[in-house]
Amino acid sequence: DAKTTQPPSMDCAEGRAANLPCNHSTISGNEYVYWYRQIHSQGPQYIIHGLKNNETNEMASLIITEDRKSSTLILPHATLRDTAVYYCIVGGSGTYKYIFGTGTRLKVLA
Amino acid sequence: DAGITQSPRHKVTETGTPVTLRCHQTENHRYMYWYRQDPGHGLRLIHYSYGVKDTDKGEVSDGYSVSRSKTEDFLLTLESATSSQTSVYFCAISQGLEGNEQFFGPGTRLTVL
Repeated sequence: DAKTTQPPSMDCAEGRAANLPCNHSTISGNEYVYWYRQIHSQGPQYIIHGLKNNETNEMASLIITEDRKSSTLILPHATLRDTAVYYCIVGGSGTYKYIFGTGTRLKVLA
Repeated sequence: DAGITQSPRHKVTETGTPVTLRCHQTENHRYMYWYRQDPGHGLRLIHYSYGVKDTDKGEVSDGYSVSRSKTEDFLLTLESATSSQTSVYFCAISQGLEGNEQFFGPGTRLTVL
């Protein structure tokens, strides 16, 4: 299973866009990129996923590079409630076994 | 929110004691998973199930067994709990379709003394 690399922490001002990068250079052609977040000690929450094209939903946008070796999660207008650990995961190629890294701890500052 | 419950939510037990954690879903999803989360390690997959009576190992399966006799229930058993199994345990479910997301339960905090 492919693994990902994320910065351990980031800060973002409230109301500004938060751009969280992820490297996944060993991703296979049929593997998806997923983003989850975990607020405090709650269970992880699904945010968005994509295969090749950029994706947008009510929570965030996902930008995947053309070579698929990296992606960026964009929270367009970060709020204090977006403070969480964000996980970038690749998988879904039939085994459905995610490999979670340690994620990026995003702190949104007032 | 997906209908996933875990029980118990908190448990303290002693080394050598058997422990069973239960995950219950009301979504009729095919796939169910057990993860553990420890400081500095993120979430790690213990076992998963791809149908009733169909299970497979994850990356940290030693010391754990699972059973799934009904679609809605997935049990995780520690046959003889050790202090190294002190952790937060999360259950997750998914429909199992290509590109399908997982939904997580609230977690069970287990302490083995």
